[in-house]
Amino acid sequence: GDSVTQTEGLVTLTEGLPVMLNCTYQTIYSNPFLFWYVQHLNESPRLLLKSFTDNKRTEHQGFHATLHKSSSSFHLQKSSAQLSDSALYYCALSNMGYKLTFGTGTSLLVDP
Amino acid sequence: DAGVTQTPRHEVAEKGQTIILKCEPVSGHNDLFWYRQTKIQGLELLSYFRSKSLMEDGGAFKDRFKAEMLNSSFSTLKIQPTEPKDSAVYLCASSLGSWGDNYAEQFFGPGTRLTVL
Repeated sequence: GDSVTQTEGLVTLTEGLPVMLNCTYQTIYSNPFLFWYVQHLNESPRLLLKSFTDNKRTEHQGFHATLHKSSSSFHLQKSSAQLSDSALYYCALSNMGYKLTFGTGTSLLVDP
Repeated sequence: DAGVTQTPRHEVAEKGQTIILKCEPVSGHNDLFWYRQTKIQGLELLSYFRSKSLMEDGGAFKDRFKAEMLNSSFSTLKIQPTEPKDSAVYLCASSLGSWGDNYAEQFFGPGTRLTVL
C-alpha cells in the first residue's frame, strides 16, 4: 500500500532561518496527489498546500513545496521562519481515491 | 458555512465503559473520516464513509471500535469497552468527495479528547 515518510520528528530552529521539512512517499501509482497539513497547538489540522504536477512549485502563506516524482519527494520549505510557524506538520498522499495516507508528522519549533 | 462539528469536546471514561462520539460533517460533503491522533502514532484512520457507505474500517480497530453514519449529516464512533490505551484525540473530517479544485481536501473538526482511567 501507499506510505509517507517524514524522517524528522522534531525540528528546532531560530527565527529568521530557513525551514525545510522532509517528505518522501511510496506508491505504485504514477499520478499521486501530495498535501501538507499544518496543526497549531489546540487546533485541528488544516490544509497548507497541495500539488499533483511534477516539478511545479506550489506556494501558500509563505511556504512552498515542489513535487518531484523522480525522487518521490514533496519537501516543505520557507525562506525565513517565524515564531508563528511553530506547529505540527503532516505530509499526506492521495491516489485517485479520496482517502489520505498521512506521514507521522514533524513538529516545528521556532525559537526567538 | 458551518465546519465540521464534534461533540463532546472532552470525555472522561472508566475502563470498560461504552462511549459514543458524535460528528456532523460539512453540509454537502460526501466523504467522512474518523481518525485517532496520538503523539506517538500521529493520525490513524479508523473509518472512512462515502455517501454513508462504509468504505474502510481500520483493521486494528475493528474489535472495539464501531463507526456508523446514520444519515448524510451525522456520524457516531462507539468505543466498547474502553481501555486506558484508547486515551487520545479523536478527529472527524469530511471531504467533498469529487474531482476538482478541492479534490481530497479534508476539513477537520475540533476533535474529542478522550481520557480513559
